[in-house]
Amino acid sequence: AQSVTQPDIHITVSEGASLELRCNYSYGATPYLFWYVQSPGQGLQLLLKYFSGDTLVQGIKGFEAEFKRSQSSFNLRKPSVHWSDAAEYFCAVALTPSGNTGKLIFGQGTTLQVKP
Amino acid sequence: SAVISQKPSRDICQRGTSLTIQCQVDSQVTMMFWYRQQPGQSLTLIATANQGSEATYESGFVIDKFPISRPNLTFSTLTVSNMSPEDSSIYLCSVASRGREQYFGPGTRLTVT
Repeated sequence: AQSVTQPDIHITVSEGASLELRCNYSYGATPYLFWYVQSPGQGLQLLLKYFSGDTLVQGIKGFEAEFKRSQSSFNLRKPSVHWSDAAEYFCAVALTPSGNTGKLIFGQGTTLQVKP
Repeated sequence: SAVISQKPSRDICQRGTSLTIQCQVDSQVTMMFWYRQQPGQSLTLIATANQGSEATYESGFVIDKFPISRPNLTFSTLTVSNMSPEDSSIYLCSVASRGREQYFGPGTRLTVT
């Protein structure tokens, strides 16, 4: 069955430090991949997406992610974390990329805490 | 990206009652979805709202419990019927246009007592 795994439930980093959030997926074909962020009491905001082409994708708020087919991974990175980045981060996979995204499978989420 | 609103933003309901959640988009979209996020959990797709026809439900979700309407390309409703405390969750609608990525509404936080 298709699945998305975010191995780190909770991560704490110091402000200004670099960040990497891990995401692995299990899917027969190359999926459409996404990272979303959810601040407390808020809905989900799309950070970035990968459909095809360049495996390093840039997103909003200074985030980037790299698709590695051999590792079935789509890790999210940011070179310098700001206190406002503290939130819940979700990796997601779209299973039916037929012109429009179909069902999204979400990972369990990673809670990011930023220390001053 | 589309601007998505949901009503109500939160509600506290009694066991056995029903609540209808509205999702409004500021532009026509091809697809609309409803997700549930239980406390401390990730998101699970409830159903795809189909314009002018019955919604497509995921395994574990049934129409009698979660009836959905989508009368046009900008509006959908989700009803949570005969509620129990286990229905306490955040309910989110999402939309997808030609660009293929999904955008989410702010969510409706439901507490059932």
